[in-house]
Amino acid sequence: DAKTTQPTSMDCAEGRAANLPCNHSTISGNEYVYWYRQIHSQGPQYIIHGLKNNETNEMASLIITEDRKSSTLILPHATLRDTAVYYCIVNPPRGGSEKLVFGKGTKLTVNP
Amino acid sequence: GAVVSQHPSRVICKSGTSVKIECRSLDFQATTMFWYRQFPKQSLMLMATSNEGSKATYEQGVEKDKFLINHASLTLSTLTVTSAHPEDSSFYICSASRQGLVRAFGSGTRLTVV
Repeated sequence: DAKTTQPTSMDCAEGRAANLPCNHSTISGNEYVYWYRQIHSQGPQYIIHGLKNNETNEMASLIITEDRKSSTLILPHATLRDTAVYYCIVNPPRGGSEKLVFGKGTKLTVNP
Repeated sequence: GAVVSQHPSRVICKSGTSVKIECRSLDFQATTMFWYRQFPKQSLMLMATSNEGSKATYEQGVEKDKFLINHASLTLSTLTVTSAHPEDSSFYICSASRQGLVRAFGSGTRLTVV
């Protein structure tokens, strides 16, 4: 079973920031928070991951609360191409044979 | 970054025939590969995990004799759907992994059994 909970759907206006929340209250000390997204009829695409510090890359920012029980993915300037299902997953350190278990994710729709 | 290639992207086959889907890691050696299935409007469901040179480990409810997985090299895994039926129609996605790398996914294969 997925160890995260996310809202089923969200809407965002093009050009505005999209803030996608994720709850992971049972996260273990060595587990990372990963975000992937899946555009319709494609494979999942890696976005960002973090352990406890906030992270930023060319795609997004990841804000993790101090108690690590929740996080927020921020797309600073959403475009129509960011419309996708976004998955928040907790997992041990990257790589290896650990399973990535997908929950239902958040369907983000970016509107013109 | 890690790149995974999956082929074919879509396939239509007749009921009762077998279909093979290939998954290749292009720029790294994948010690572990995963196969997922996704039905319309649902999330990805893990079918099996395979380590190079070993038998695959199947998730509960997945028929190992129907979904044959071969992981004979560090860059190639195949999934064969044997005696396909319309209910096997789905979107199949592979993922490749190696310690120290972020998990990468293939672009998926849309299987339609008619």
